[in-house]
Amino acid sequence: EAGVAQSPRYKIIEKRQSVAFWCNPISGHATLYWYQQILGQGPKLLIQFQNNGVVDDSQLPKDRFSAERLKGVDSTLKIQPAKLEDSAVYLCASSLDSGLLNTGELFFGEGSRLTVL
Amino acid sequence: EDQVTQSPEALRLQEGESSSLNCSYTVSGLRGLFWYRQDPGKGPEFLFTLYSAGEEKEKERLKATLTKKESFLHITAPKPEDSATYLCAVQAAQGGSEKLVFGKGTKLTVNP
Repeated sequence: EAGVAQSPRYKIIEKRQSVAFWCNPISGHATLYWYQQILGQGPKLLIQFQNNGVVDDSQLPKDRFSAERLKGVDSTLKIQPAKLEDSAVYLCASSLDSGLLNTGELFFGEGSRLTVL
Repeated sequence: EDQVTQSPEALRLQEGESSSLNCSYTVSGLRGLFWYRQDPGKGPEFLFTLYSAGEEKEKERLKATLTKKESFLHITAPKPEDSATYLCAVQAAQGGSEKLVFGKGTKLTVNP
């Protein structure tokens, strides 16, 4: 079974530039998550999708971050304009279950490492 | 606000030297506590879910336990391949969000 695919693996940009990350979840997984992991920290949820709809985006800095999930499958996360503090690994995850059935078993991709200079 | 604190931040063991990692949490109603393993340059990999105090789960050399305030990940006779960062996360039962709140992790190094 193919895992969660993410690209690009690495990206270096100047501050105030824009960047986009792409994620393809495991086939059949309805729920998709984007997490931000700053060096030395645990992952922090940015946004959760259930199919096409947003379940939780309370920690997404909406003035610069946006995310969409077209047709309930692939997702893109965009940052515009980027700040120095956005340097982090952006992890995409998917899960089979959601809501009351959520077992907490998330399948993570390898992440996209962003460096903002 | 839901909080997760893991200790120690880093732990070095000799192969075969058993030990425990701690995860203390503050949450408004616990739906579940989760342990993940993260290797360098990789995403976290799911290990266990614990739902209620007194529950235990085992997988190979790992055993996770849960009380009302903390969880322990016991590592028995570790091997070098157990070296990784171990992350603990909680999910609150109240409110509409299902998000997992992660701790900073414990970096485990097992020397041969």
